[in-house]
Amino acid sequence: QQQVKQSPQSLIVQKGGIPIINCAYENTAFDYFPWYQQFPGKGPALLIAIRPDVSEKKEGRFTISFNKSAKQFSLHIMDSQPGDSATYFCAVYTGANNLFFGTGTRLTVIP
Amino acid sequence: DAGITQSPRHKVTETGTPVTLRCHQTENHRYMYWYRQDPGHGLRLIHYSYGVKDTDKGEVSDGYSVSRSKTEDFLLTLESATSSQTSVYFCAISGRRGGNTEAFFGQGTRLTVV
Repeated sequence: QQQVKQSPQSLIVQKGGIPIINCAYENTAFDYFPWYQQFPGKGPALLIAIRPDVSEKKEGRFTISFNKSAKQFSLHIMDSQPGDSATYFCAVYTGANNLFFGTGTRLTVIP
Repeated sequence: DAGITQSPRHKVTETGTPVTLRCHQTENHRYMYWYRQDPGHGLRLIHYSYGVKDTDKGEVSDGYSVSRSKTEDFLLTLESATSSQTSVYFCAISGRRGGNTEAFFGQGTRLTVV
């Protein structure tokens, strides 16, 4: 079964908009929550990650918001650019070094 | 980029034939993984390895086997390929960088079973 549920499947925003991608999980044993960015024909690359002891992490235009009680976390992209158009995956990580991925969100940023 | 390469990058094979995909790393990381990526399913873990000759099943392991005889190499074998195994396969390695654990991915192998 899916360890993490991701939504939406696809997202279209105008340049400068703030797309938000959401993920939810059930297993409280997960202790590391990364986001990956994937361009066509490439492997996923780590974008930003958060641990459950903080509620927010920012790196440049990318922000993760984490709600431990709701078991949800989300990715926000500030001032989105056409170059941000890619597929984004959230993931959850167990102490056994297993990464489980969401189903992905295809983001399109229109110039 | 992390030193991880997959081979071949593309392969077309016939149903019922054996296929082996190779993942090679130069990072000396302990953990290695094989994922498959399919539309609507994201990335699903097939098998992973936590050391030489130490492997375990992931969520979609049926029809696949793996071997790891050296730290740097992790092989994925489809003993008798089926059309349902047509997919893009990604190898990943896991290690620590900057105090955080992260996974690095290879470029992927596109496998078509006809």
